[in-house]
Amino acid sequence: QKEVEQNSGPLSVPEGAIASLNCTYSDRVSQSFFWYRQYSGKSPELIMSIYSNGDKEDGRFTAQLNKASQYVSLLIRDSQPSDSATYLCAGHSGGGADGLTFGKGTHLIIQP
Amino acid sequence: GAVVSQHPSRVICKSGTSVKIECRSLDFQATTMFWYRQFPKQSLMLMATSNEGSKATYEQGVEKDKFLINHASLTLSTLTVTSAHPEDSSFYICSAAGTGGRKLFFGSGTQLSVL
Repeated sequence: QKEVEQNSGPLSVPEGAIASLNCTYSDRVSQSFFWYRQYSGKSPELIMSIYSNGDKEDGRFTAQLNKASQYVSLLIRDSQPSDSATYLCAGHSGGGADGLTFGKGTHLIIQP
Repeated sequence: GAVVSQHPSRVICKSGTSVKIECRSLDFQATTMFWYRQFPKQSLMLMATSNEGSKATYEQGVEKDKFLINHASLTLSTLTVTSAHPEDSSFYICSAAGTGGRKLFFGSGTQLSVL
């Protein structure tokens, strides 16, 4: 099993709807998780981080972590066309500074 | 959030030449920086971990003699692609850990095109 897996998409969601992005991970990357947004030709931008089981909300974004099932998800409410991008799920195994392991990313398209 | 500056943003070079990419942490000290490479429609792949004052740690399959990393100060790491070839054409991105060490902030990336 790859360490961090995502469905590459594209995932098409109508404007105003909820976009749901999912990610599964292996045992090696089970400590901290991050969602990054990456526009084409640009570097990733941190959207959310989550370290413990449950939900974490920040504006229109909600990250969900379920360690028992080894998945982490990102919900985007009231989707906007500007949310169209590739969303990268990442995790790392240590508590200190360490290179992240990234999933391949899910390409999200918000249809006006 | 923390700011990481990367330069240049784009470089085109001839095969066989060397290219240096700089990564700076502007408002914090970064003892550790990371270099990633991303091919089109692929994920970011960690190339190496750059440690201030010591040798870099390279991931399996990454040639340390080809991708030279220097981390001479707490705010600057450089990646030099030596004797670049067309297959080295890629998007190179550096990152550094912010306060607390768990969040990574990325530079703007360097698109390298080797002719």
